[in-house]
Amino acid sequence: GNSVTQMEGPVTLSEEAFLTINCTYTATGYPSLFWYVQYPGEGLQLLLKATKADDKGSNKGFEATYRKETTSFHLEKGSVQVSDSAVYFCALRISSGSARQLTFGSGTQLTVLP
Amino acid sequence: DAGVTQSPTHLIKTRGQQVTLRCSPKSGHDTVSWYQQALGQGPQFIFQYYEEEERQRGNFPDRFSGHQFPNYSSELNVNALLLGDSALYLCASSPDGGGRTSPLHFGNGTRLTVT
Repeated sequence: GNSVTQMEGPVTLSEEAFLTINCTYTATGYPSLFWYVQYPGEGLQLLLKATKADDKGSNKGFEATYRKETTSFHLEKGSVQVSDSAVYFCALRISSGSARQLTFGSGTQLTVLP
Repeated sequence: DAGVTQSPTHLIKTRGQQVTLRCSPKSGHDTVSWYQQALGQGPQFIFQYYEEEERQRGNFPDRFSGHQFPNYSSELNVNALLLGDSALYLCASSPDGGGRTSPLHFGNGTRLTVT
């Protein structure tokens, strides 16, 4: 089946620190890969995506590269801000036949201290 | 342009009762999916509706059912509520039949508490 494994949290960083959240996946077909962010009391917002191997998704200073050889999609940011504090979810989606749902990891709570 | 809207935002029910949650998709979107997010967990796929039919279903019992209307809005119904059904229920919509690269837009969810 399909599954996503994320680095366990919580992660606590100081402002301007470098962030990496690891994500690896198992998929029965060719997935698209996503990072979603969830702020307190809100739904999920798409942060970035990549649809094929070696693609790099980027948004708001965050980046992730689709690595087929290592089945990974690690999230990085060079300098985090207090406003980045949220829960981050890695997800995949395969659209073959009837398989169209997102499969999520368990989420990583990030807290950035001033 | 309104995004995905869900109602109600919060709901408290008693074990054994039934509940209906509602979702209006983002303008221009024709596909609606429902997810259950237990506290501290990632969302789990319940089912997806397209052209007023359930197209795909996750590993949820028949107590969970849904409907999509001609205007693409959707309802999620849960019968015989259990304590374990307490969760945040998220609706997500997408355009163009929800293909592999179609963006998914999520609502802010309905927080269901079963006592």
